[in-house]
Amino acid sequence: AQKVTQAQTEISVVEKEDVTLDCVYETRDTTYYLFWYKQPPSGELVFLIRRNSFDEQNEISGRYSWNFQKSTSSFNFTITASQVVDSAVYFCALSVNTGTASKLTFGTGTRLQVTL
Amino acid sequence: GAVVSQHPSWVICKSGTSVKIECRSLDFQATTMFWYRQFPKQSLMLMATSNEGSKATYEQGVEKDKFLINHASLTLSTLTVTSAHPEDSSFYICSARRQGRTDTQYFGPGTRLTVL
Repeated sequence: AQKVTQAQTEISVVEKEDVTLDCVYETRDTTYYLFWYKQPPSGELVFLIRRNSFDEQNEISGRYSWNFQKSTSSFNFTITASQVVDSAVYFCALSVNTGTASKLTFGTGTRLQVTL
Repeated sequence: GAVVSQHPSWVICKSGTSVKIECRSLDFQATTMFWYRQFPKQSLMLMATSNEGSKATYEQGVEKDKFLINHASLTLSTLTVTSAHPEDSSFYICSARRQGRTDTQYFGPGTRLTVL
């Protein structure tokens, strides 16, 4: 069975601070995908990134960066120079490669509040 | 690309009535769509997996006679909440996976259902 743990339920930062959202996953499969989604107050889930289990290269996209470490089963997400618009709930998710039956297992989410 | 729409975005109904929610992939074909339910400040709970042209696969504990799912085409899946009761009030979100791809799910904006 798969499991995703986001230990931080809520984080509050002041604008321009850097913030890291933690994600730890569990799976026995060797082939899997990891995701981060953003859910702003409007409710829609916005896809941020997908990583497959064979690609441990870290990724940077603007102010966003992701650190994938298989040795610790972690896929952490850092926002640099946070902005008020970053305020949202962020979900980490895991999908194992079982063909068309692949399902997403979500973490419980981390609510990020960025204030002025 | 990869836009998913849901209709309606919100609905209020009386107890005992049935409500239909539509999920459409606007710019791609989706052989698989998923229906999730999200309670306030909680994570997404997968209700069922919907495959075009076949019966939906429901998660354990989800009543298939209560939540009817139809996936009649490659761009449309519908969820009907039958004989709705106040405990069915929730945020319902659909997602769609591109035909031929088994990784990324793209989410709709969600439908907020309130049963009086």
